[in-house]
Amino acid sequence: NAGVMQNPRHLVRRRGQEARLRCSPMKGHSHVYWYRQLPEEGLKFMVYLQKENIIDESGMPKERFSAEFPKEGPSILRIQQVVRGDSAAYFCASPSSGSRSGELFFGEGSRLTVL
Amino acid sequence: KQEVTQIPAALSVPEGENLVLNCSFTDSAIYNLQWFRQDPGKGLTSLLLIQSSQREQTSGRLNASLDKSSGRSTLYIAASQPGDSATYLCAAETSGSRLTFGEGTQLTVNP
Repeated sequence: NAGVMQNPRHLVRRRGQEARLRCSPMKGHSHVYWYRQLPEEGLKFMVYLQKENIIDESGMPKERFSAEFPKEGPSILRIQQVVRGDSAAYFCASPSSGSRSGELFFGEGSRLTVL
Repeated sequence: KQEVTQIPAALSVPEGENLVLNCSFTDSAIYNLQWFRQDPGKGLTSLLLIQSSQREQTSGRLNASLDKSSGRSTLYIAASQPGDSATYLCAAETSGSRLTFGEGTQLTVNP
């Protein structure tokens, strides 16, 4: 996974609570992608961010989901008022070169379970 | 809209066998195609990246080919080992730097 760090690895929330997932790309890199893997489904693109900018959020659900990548600190994927259908593995990825394209390296993922 | 399909969905082979995993994509305007391995409950490990201008890439016992005109890529695994058991994912990068993933081939190599 070449240094892409995600936490928490596992998160349990009750319906209606908020979930915050964090991702730190490889050191010095400023591009982050979030993908979601629903049970028994393939990975789907959610959002692409650079430091302080959302570049492409076309894969994000219209409501309750938001993402940020501040100047300092990790990228945050925030899910408000979680529902059971949000249960999934959420992966963060960072390009190897540090720029926008090239080989993508993924973190270990954050597995969200909504009770 | 890019769609990526992987065949077969599952494959079980005896140790030592050579095998081929198939990946097809509908939009040939790709920047690159990447193969990953995913172990249960784990993240994705990048195996090979083929740029759109390339025809194949090799790493150890793995060889990946790319035919953009026909919208196909194959991952060849030589002399398979039980440790190769995992789900193999292919992903095509199109405009916007996003990857479109197939649903994977679940490989089991039996000792």
